[in-house]
Amino acid sequence: ETGVTQSPTHLIKTRGQQVTLRCSSQSGHNTVSWYQQALGQGPQFIFQYYREEENGRGNFPPRFSGLQFPNYSSELNVNALELDDSALYLCASSPGTGSSYEQYFGPGTRLTVT
Amino acid sequence: AQSVTQLDSQVPVFEEAPVELRCNYSSSVSVYLFWYVQYPNQGLQLLLKYLSGSTLVKGINGFEAEFNKSQTSFHLRKPSVHISDTAEYFCAVLVQGAQKLVFGQGTRLTINP
Repeated sequence: ETGVTQSPTHLIKTRGQQVTLRCSSQSGHNTVSWYQQALGQGPQFIFQYYREEENGRGNFPPRFSGLQFPNYSSELNVNALELDDSALYLCASSPGTGSSYEQYFGPGTRLTVT
Repeated sequence: AQSVTQLDSQVPVFEEAPVELRCNYSSSVSVYLFWYVQYPNQGLQLLLKYLSGSTLVKGINGFEAEFNKSQTSFHLRKPSVHISDTAEYFCAVLVQGAQKLVFGQGTRLTINP
């Protein structure tokens, strides 16, 4: 059984640029959630995708957007990057929207904005 | 809205000593409770969870936690820690039927030989 994978591992971008982060869910999981973890903080919920539709969103501006594909993999896109977007971005997959208590996390993508 | 407070940002202990990491939460509705561990430069690994039933929950790596509804607490304990337990520990809640985990700020556990 393959766990949750994320790419890239690390990324450095310049303020104002756009970035795309990728996540492959665990086998059999159709729901993906994204979290932002700033340095020294707990993760903060960005949004969740279920069957290619957004299924809940946290307190993040619209320049944070996402996609989910038919194979349940997902992308997180961030436009107009700001310095405060520097963080570890975590993806978590779960078997279904009613099973959000079974979230399995990937290793994360470390984004640095300069 | 739900919130989670981890009462200690850092906890230093000696190897083979017992440890307790404290977590309190606030919610007006029923929640599920979790403890996650994060090793340096890694993602989150689930240690244990409370969904229902017995208030004493046993997890991986010898950890256990006790749910106390009246105190709205979910403290994590281990009777004897090892150097390999050095990590960041996060308490989290999930409103039943909702999507998002709400995390505390984390507690850094440092084990000294």
